[in-house]
Amino acid sequence: DIQMTQSPSTLSASVGDRVIITCRASQSSRSSLAWYQQKPGKAPKLLIYQGSTLQSAVPSRFSGSGSGTEFTLTISSLQPDDFATYYCQQYHDFATFGPGTKVDIK
Amino acid sequence: EVQLLESGGGLVQPGGSLRLSCGASGFTFSGYAMSWVRQTPGKGLEWVSVISGDNVKTEYADSVKGRFTISRDNSKNTLHLQMNSLRAEDTAIYYCAKGPFNWGTLGDSWGQGTMVSVSS
Repeated sequence: DIQMTQSPSTLSASVGDRVIITCRASQSSRSSLAWYQQKPGKAPKLLIYQGSTLQSAVPSRFSGSGSGTEFTLTISSLQPDDFATYYCQQYHDFATFGPGTKVDIK
Repeated sequence: EVQLLESGGGLVQPGGSLRLSCGASGFTFSGYAMSWVRQTPGKGLEWVSVISGDNVKTEYADSVKGRFTISRDNSKNTLHLQMNSLRAEDTAIYYCAKGPFNWGTLGDSWGQGTMVSVSS
């Protein structure tokens, strides 16, 4: 099984900040990596798949990069709507989620 | 607009059974993989099972293999999850999720979730 880790677990930031979240896989997931955003009481929302492909209607301030075992999610300029928890998920070998990164207000 | 509506959650005793359903609308149901994903405060998000759009392939998490069965009725745009031999650790919010392709464990649209509690 592929295990996923994320860092940091919590990130305090201000509106306008550049935010970077890292996701690591225990073995290569090639480019089969997705990022989701989840707000309290809501279902996850797909942001990025295939490592760097932006899902339809997702703002361009979100971007993803990486392949193999190391991936990053970047929010170029944090907006008030972006305070949420972010999860990575590999789908190369069935599916595994990371533990999440909570982005809160500094 | 894609809409997914789960039902069938509730309280069940350990060893019991429950059948979840997910009604879908707003897209060509038979063209897309459908999945069940669960979430608990302690264990986070876990992909439970996936079924291909053409109803040919299924896959399960090791934690539910042999106890849960995913199925779909493409004529009724409905997804099901039959859960048997339920355990306390199956307690979670269960989401149904639509994939962007005929097969694969990605979720581009999600339902609001249904709560399953396993307790005596």
